[in-house]
Amino acid sequence: EAQVTQNPRYLITVTGKKLTVTCSQNMNHEYMSWYRQDPGLGLRQIYYSMNVEVTDKGDVPEGYKVSRKEKRNFPLILESPSPNQTSLYFCASSVRPPQGYYGYTFGSGTRLTVV
Amino acid sequence: TQLLEQSPQFLSIQEGENLTVYCNSSSVFSSLQWYRQEPGEGPVLLVTVVTGGEVKKLKRLTFQFGDARKDSSLHITAAQPGDTGLYLCAGPFSGGYNKLIFGAGTRLAVHP
Repeated sequence: EAQVTQNPRYLITVTGKKLTVTCSQNMNHEYMSWYRQDPGLGLRQIYYSMNVEVTDKGDVPEGYKVSRKEKRNFPLILESPSPNQTSLYFCASSVRPPQGYYGYTFGSGTRLTVV
Repeated sequence: TQLLEQSPQFLSIQEGENLTVYCNSSSVFSSLQWYRQEPGEGPVLLVTVVTGGEVKKLKRLTFQFGDARKDSSLHITAAQPGDTGLYLCAGPFSGGYNKLIFGAGTRLAVHP
């Protein structure tokens, strides 16, 4: 089954404790992206990757890191999480960058709480 | 700034009713997409519209792209409880880097 797999689904952590949210897709998609979803603010892009070893900042990159060493994986790293990073996180992938017909396939989300 | 504004924010209706939700912008988009997000899950792509004036149908859902490519609508005929969810419109950002921008969504509840 074609899918984007995120882990974990739920995570509660303490301020300052480094964490990684994994994302893997099995569709050979070139483009991958991370979004966070907050009430009243909608979906906002954190980082994106056009292909292996090519990553760039989105709208809200502060406090996050990413890497794309393999085409299928795009982990999101929070080096020192803070409470304002409490949110619902989505990984998404697309055949190509999102122009024209290419839409996203989203993962099921990771609900992160930082206390 | 490219923005997508969706209305209404919330909609609560009875099974069998018809409804229309809107996605509007002051900017021209090369295409618009509609997603549905169910509680606890990621958004799922429903349709992409590309040509101004285009109409696409997906069973009881009808999507229309405005002639000027600045707006879109989603019409649901005879809504069912399974249509409950958050409906998001999205379009490619034209500002030089690669992302979709999303509207804040319309949260639809269909009651039996």
